[in-house]
Amino acid sequence: EIVLTQSPGTLSLSPGERATLSCGASQRVSSSDLAWYQQKPGQAPRLLIFGASSRATGIPDRFSGSGSGTDFTLTISRLEPEDFAVYYCQQYGSSPHTFGQGTKLEIK
Amino acid sequence: EVQLVQSGAEVKKPGESLKISCKVSGYTFTTSWIGWVRQMPGKGLEWMGIIYPGDSDARYNPSFQGQVTISADKSISTAYLQWSSLKASDTAMYYCARGYGYIDYWGQGTLVTVSS
Repeated sequence: EIVLTQSPGTLSLSPGERATLSCGASQRVSSSDLAWYQQKPGQAPRLLIFGASSRATGIPDRFSGSGSGTDFTLTISRLEPEDFAVYYCQQYGSSPHTFGQGTKLEIK
Repeated sequence: EVQLVQSGAEVKKPGESLKISCKVSGYTFTTSWIGWVRQMPGKGLEWMGIIYPGDSDARYNPSFQGQVTISADKSISTAYLQWSSLKASDTAMYYCARGYGYIDYWGQGTLVTVSS
């Protein structure tokens, strides 16, 4: 199984700053089959990015994804108050599909 | 509008059986994979398995194989997750989720609490 390791575990930033979240895979993720999700307390996760870099419907363009192979990045260009949440990466190119352990983005 | 509506919270004792449900609407149930994701208290997301309701082809994460059963009833557009004998370690939030690859729609979650 592919293990995804997200870093940092917690990221403390202020609104308006740029956030860079990383997701490293233990093996190459095929066809850039990697997604990013946002989860707020008490809510189900929400799809942000699929195919490593494609934004899901309705996702603001301040969210962008990049990377391939074993190294992927989610960037939030200018943080809004509603962006503070936990973010998960997921690979779906190899079964079982696996999630990273999450990065908590908190207000500094 | 695509909706996945899950059954309500459950409180069970160890050893009891349980079947939770996920009723979908807004798309053709038999043409999209639907699966289940576990989130233990304060922890991350775990992909449990998935089913294609069109032919009931079910695939499991080896970590959950034999521990749960995923099924679907095409006649009522509903997917299920069931346990034959619950353990305290099954206490978690369970989400149904549409998509074989990335998950584009999620249910609201069903909290399962197993305690003696």
